[in-house]
Amino acid sequence: DSGVTQTPKHLITATGQRVTLRCSPRSGDLSVYWYQQSLDQGLQFLIQYYNGEERAKGNILERFSAQQFPDLHSELNLSSLELGDSALYFCASSAADVLGTQYFGPGTRLLVL
Amino acid sequence: AQKVTQAQTEISVVEKEDVTLDCVYETRDTTYYLFWYKQPPSGELVFLIRRNSFDEQNEISGRYSWNFQKSTSSFNFTITASQVVDSAVYFCALSEETDRGSTLGRLYFGRGTQLTVWP
Repeated sequence: DSGVTQTPKHLITATGQRVTLRCSPRSGDLSVYWYQQSLDQGLQFLIQYYNGEERAKGNILERFSAQQFPDLHSELNLSSLELGDSALYFCASSAADVLGTQYFGPGTRLLVL
Repeated sequence: AQKVTQAQTEISVVEKEDVTLDCVYETRDTTYYLFWYKQPPSGELVFLIRRNSFDEQNEISGRYSWNFQKSTSSFNFTITASQVVDSAVYFCALSEETDRGSTLGRLYFGRGTQLTVWP
C-alpha cells in the first residue's frame, strides 16, 4: 500500500459527460501528480500541483482540469468525455516538488461508452 | 523523441531463470533520477528503486539488482531466480532537474516490458 488513495476505482460513463476523480496524497506529501495510462499512449504526465499551486503541465487537454485543495487532496475533472478518454488515471504524490520519488495510487479506471 | 526506451516489449521465462530488463534513457541534464516501477496484473504502480545520476554503484535488493551505466545511458534491472509472482509490466522512468518551464518534476516513462514467468 503506497498510502495514496484514489476514488472511485472504476467509472463507467457516456460520451459528453463530466466526471471527477479524487486523490488523497500520502501524509506529509505536498506534491500531487496526475498521469493517464492508455494502450496507445502509454503513461503520460498530465499535471502537477505543489502545496495548492499548479507547478507543471503536460499534454493535458483543455477539457481536463485539476486542482489541489488546502487539505492537499486533489481532483481531476474530465468534461465533454470522448471514447478516447477511456484509460487508467493515476495520481501520485511526493514530498518534494522536483526529483522526489513519486508514489502512485491504485488508479481510477475510466470507461467512456 | 523518446526519453526512455525499453526495447523489450515482452519477455517470457521459466521459474528460477534470471532475467534482465533493459532501459536506455536520453537527457542533457547532469542531474537526474532514474526509477523502476512494477505494475502487476491488479494494475497499481509499485515503486521499486530510485537512482540519482551521481551514483553509479550497482544496487542489490534481495533477488533484484540494478546496473546503472552513464557511459551507455542505461539502467538495467535484473531479477535473479525469477518467480511466478514477478510476472508484471515493468516500467523504467526518468526525472530531470532542468527547469523546462512546464515540465519540471514530471516522470518520463518507457513503454514498459511485460514479464511473464511460467511455473
